Amino acid sequence: NAGVMQNPRHLVRRRGQEARLRCSPMKGHSHVYWYRQLPEEGLKFMVYLQKENIIDESGMPKERFSAEFPKEGPSILRIQQVVRGDSAAYFCASSPEGLAYTEAFFGQGTRLTVV
Amino acid sequence: DAKTTQPTSMDCAEGRAANLPCNHSTISGNEYVYWYRQIHSQGPQYIIHGLKNNETNEMASLIITEDRKSSTLILPHATLRDTAVYYCIASPMDSSYKLIFGSGTRLLVRP
Repeated sequence: NAGVMQNPRHLVRRRGQEARLRCSPMKGHSHVYWYRQLPEEGLKFMVYLQKENIIDESGMPKERFSAEFPKEGPSILRIQQVVRGDSAAYFCASSPEGLAYTEAFFGQGTRLTVV
Repeated sequence: DAKTTQPTSMDCAEGRAANLPCNHSTISGNEYVYWYRQIHSQGPQYIIHGLKNNETNEMASLIITEDRKSSTLILPHATLRDTAVYYCIASPMDSSYKLIFGSGTRLLVRP
C-alpha cells in the first residue's frame, strides 16, 4: 500500500507564475489535508477536503490560493501569481475518515521556491 | 486550542529512555494531547494521543498528570532514528486536523 504521494518534490517558480501541487492520498482514504511550513516554523493548517467538497478552508489565504479534490485524480493545491513569501514546504496528509484523524499519514512534501 | 510549552532541545543516549515534557496548563476538558514528530525534511508522523489516561502504543508511552496540566512522552529505548523535532499539541478531537504546531523539542539521540 503506497503512502501519500506528493509531486513534484521540488518546484521552482518565478514571481507571477502559477504553482500546482499534487497529492495522491493513500488507497481508501477520502479525506485530505494541506499544510504549509515556512522556513524554521511549524506546520500551519490550510485546508481540509473530502472528495469534491471543501470541509474547512479557514487556514487558506484569501487570495491566490485554491484547492480541490475531484472525484477522480489527486488533490490539487493551486497558487496563482506566486510571490517570494510563498516559498515553503507544502505537506499533504490523508485519512480514511474525518474524525479518525490520528490515522492520518503525511506525504514527503513539495518544496516550493519562488525566485 | 490551549498553548503548549516544550523545552527547545534535549538529548539522550542511544538505548536509553527519552522523556519529553510538555506543559499545557490552560488545557480545557475537551482537548486531547497529541504528539507528532518531524524527522528532518520529512512529513510529520503521528506518535500518540490521549485525554486523561496514560496511553501506550508500539512507538511510545504518554503520561498525563492527574490535573492534565502537563504530560510526558516516553520513548522507551531511543535509537538514532528517533532524532527529530517532537511537537506536543492540545486540541479538541473534532478539530484535531488543524494541528497548531509550536516550536517543538529538538531531540538528539547520541550514539
